[in-house]
Amino acid sequence: GQSLEQPSEVTAVEGAIVQINCTYQTSGFYGLSWYQQHDGGAPTFLSYNALDGLEETGRFSSFLSRSDSYGYLLLQELQMKDSASYFCAPQTGANNLFFGTGTRLTVIP
Amino acid sequence: DTAVSQTPKYLVTQMGNDKSIKCEQNLGHDTMYWYKQDSKKFLKIMFSYNNKELIINETVPNRFSPKSPDKAHLNLHINSLELGDSAVYFCASSLGPRESPLHFGNGTRLTVT
Repeated sequence: GQSLEQPSEVTAVEGAIVQINCTYQTSGFYGLSWYQQHDGGAPTFLSYNALDGLEETGRFSSFLSRSDSYGYLLLQELQMKDSASYFCAPQTGANNLFFGTGTRLTVIP
Repeated sequence: DTAVSQTPKYLVTQMGNDKSIKCEQNLGHDTMYWYKQDSKKFLKIMFSYNNKELIINETVPNRFSPKSPDKAHLNLHINSLELGDSAVYFCASSLGPRESPLHFGNGTRLTVT
């Protein structure tokens, strides 16, 4: 079967750094994506890790360890607009992304 | 200039009715998807088409029937709607079946009363 574990909620202060962890169990694995979804909005792509290591895109970085079936999303210099749900999504087959319920991040002043 | 557009944005209907949701993408992508997001924000794939051919068909009641008239369009028809079908339905597209990222439409909020 497939399973995903992310914290359901995280709260952090504006300007701080927050890390959202993700562990997964899938049959077949191609890579790990991260998506952001604001309330009432559509999921939007943040990053994709196919190989082990850190990928950096501006204030956001994503890490993958395939041997540990683990990844994380690091958000730096948090802004109020970063309050949203964040989904890690392992790619398990022909672009079959397994999303789960995500982590709701609340940024407070 | 919307990349993935779906209509309607909101759909309120009674149990037992039949309804359709339409989706179009102007990105030139080959692969399109339907996802369902429930009230707990669980986002789950329902169907995927690559160049009009069905490639993913998750365990979905056969009351749900996708149709892809061409690779830019993927519609979802739902028969005999039930209360449990209430959710937000997202259409998405990608360059190909193993290509990232997915581009999502803005969603259709379906409420069955």
